[in-house]
Amino acid sequence: GEDVEQSLFLSVREGDSSVINCTYTDSSSTYLYWYKQEPGAGLQLLTYIFSNMDMKQDQRLTVLLNKKDKHLSLRIADTQTGDSAIYFCAERKSDMRFGAGTRLTVKP
Amino acid sequence: EAQVTQNPRYLITVTGKKLTVTCSQNMNHEYMSWYRQDPGLGLRQIYYSMNVEVTDKGDVPEGYKVSRKEKRNFPLILESPSPNQTSLYFCASSPAGTELNTEAFFGQGTRLTVV
Repeated sequence: GEDVEQSLFLSVREGDSSVINCTYTDSSSTYLYWYKQEPGAGLQLLTYIFSNMDMKQDQRLTVLLNKKDKHLSLRIADTQTGDSAIYFCAERKSDMRFGAGTRLTVKP
Repeated sequence: EAQVTQNPRYLITVTGKKLTVTCSQNMNHEYMSWYRQDPGLGLRQIYYSMNVEVTDKGDVPEGYKVSRKEKRNFPLILESPSPNQTSLYFCASSPAGTELNTEAFFGQGTRLTVV
C-alpha cells in the first residue's frame, strides 16, 4: 500500500495561492520531493527539501516540512493557469515512493 | 541533452501477445525503475535495478519481467499481457546512493491498452 498520502483534487482561482498537502510515514526518509506532471507528459522535479530543513522557498514555490507530524506541503503563490497539473509528493529511501497525486485546477 | 527515452509512446495490443517497452538513459545512471500510473493510485513501482545484472521486485511485479544487461537500457517485458495491465507506464533513472539528493529523471510515458 501507499506510504505517502495526498488529497486527489484542488481547485483555486487564478491569482490565489494553492496549498497542496502530503503526509508520509517513514521518518527515516532523507529527501522529500514535489514533482509536476502536465497532461500527456512525464514527471518533472519541481523542488525538494532535505529532512533537516523546515522550509524552502524557490520563487513562487514554498515547501514546508513538519517532521514531527510527517507533513509536507507545497504552496504556489499567485497561481496561474499554467500551474494546472498533477502534483506528486515523493519520499526517497532506497527508492522513490509516490503519493497518488493532487490534480490542481486553476480557474480564470 | 540528458534524457530518459521510452518506446513506444502508445501501444494497443491483444491479450496474450508478448510485448516489450524499451527504456534508455544517457546519463550513466546506476539506478533505473519502472512505474505504472493508474487513476487514484499514483505511481506504483513494478521493478527496479540498482545496477547492471541487478534487478528487484517493486510493489506490483506480477505479470512483468525486466532485464538489465547494459547500464543504459532497462526494458519492461509483458510475456502475456492482460487487460488489467492497461495503464500508463513510466521509466525513471537516477544516480545511485540514498545519502545524496538524487533526482529521478522520468521518461515521457507509454500508454498501453490491452484488449
